[in-house]
Amino acid sequence: QVQLVQSGAEVKEPGASVKVSCKASGYTFTDFWMHWVRQAPGQGFEWMGRINPNSGGTNFAQKFQGRVTLTRDTSMSTAYMELSSLKTDDTAVYYCARGITPGDGNTFDLWGQGAMVTVSS
Amino acid sequence: EIVLTQSPATLSLSPGERVTLSCRASQSVSSYLAWYQQKPGQGPRLLIYDASKRATGIPARFSGSGSGTDFTLTISSLEPEDFAVYYCQQRSNWPLTFGGGTKVEIK
Repeated sequence: QVQLVQSGAEVKEPGASVKVSCKASGYTFTDFWMHWVRQAPGQGFEWMGRINPNSGGTNFAQKFQGRVTLTRDTSMSTAYMELSSLKTDDTAVYYCARGITPGDGNTFDLWGQGAMVTVSS
Repeated sequence: EIVLTQSPATLSLSPGERVTLSCRASQSVSSYLAWYQQKPGQGPRLLIYDASKRATGIPARFSGSGSGTDFTLTISSLEPEDFAVYYCQQRSNWPLTFGGGTKVEIK
């Protein structure tokens, strides 16, 4: 079925990096933008950036520019989000989300199950 | 950055009641607004996009309205499975932003 399956929970120390994967199935991976959104414990959502799986082109929220890297492996239908220089307030659930079409792909019609990233010394 | 303000923060209601949730934008987002439902431990589910279009598989009891800065999500008659947190999201301007959410809880 159509789904996004993310990698598991991670625990990292401040200053480290984390890489989260998002495997798509049930649809053509390269036809839809893939976004990354995070949710800190008990908080709302924060959009981080998006990648075009076909071209590899990316856009980022200014807050995360230079600290987040989005990549994809089209042969594996998998998108990746790497966040560097982790701080304790990066502790959150990180979601991948597919951008709806038609349109600009900036509404999210399919979400992964989320990956909890805990940053603690 | 466009700030989305949702009200109220919490609603306590009974099954069968009509629900109206509000989302107000700090500047016009035209009709580029979506609504999501989130249940504990789950990712969000798209309900409404472009202010009033129901997403695939969403029951007709969910409807959206509004344009510019003021938007409403209405649930015509609450079902037990509708108790959740609801978020709005705009795609008019970068960065994409979300409202803080409205929790609909059982009275």
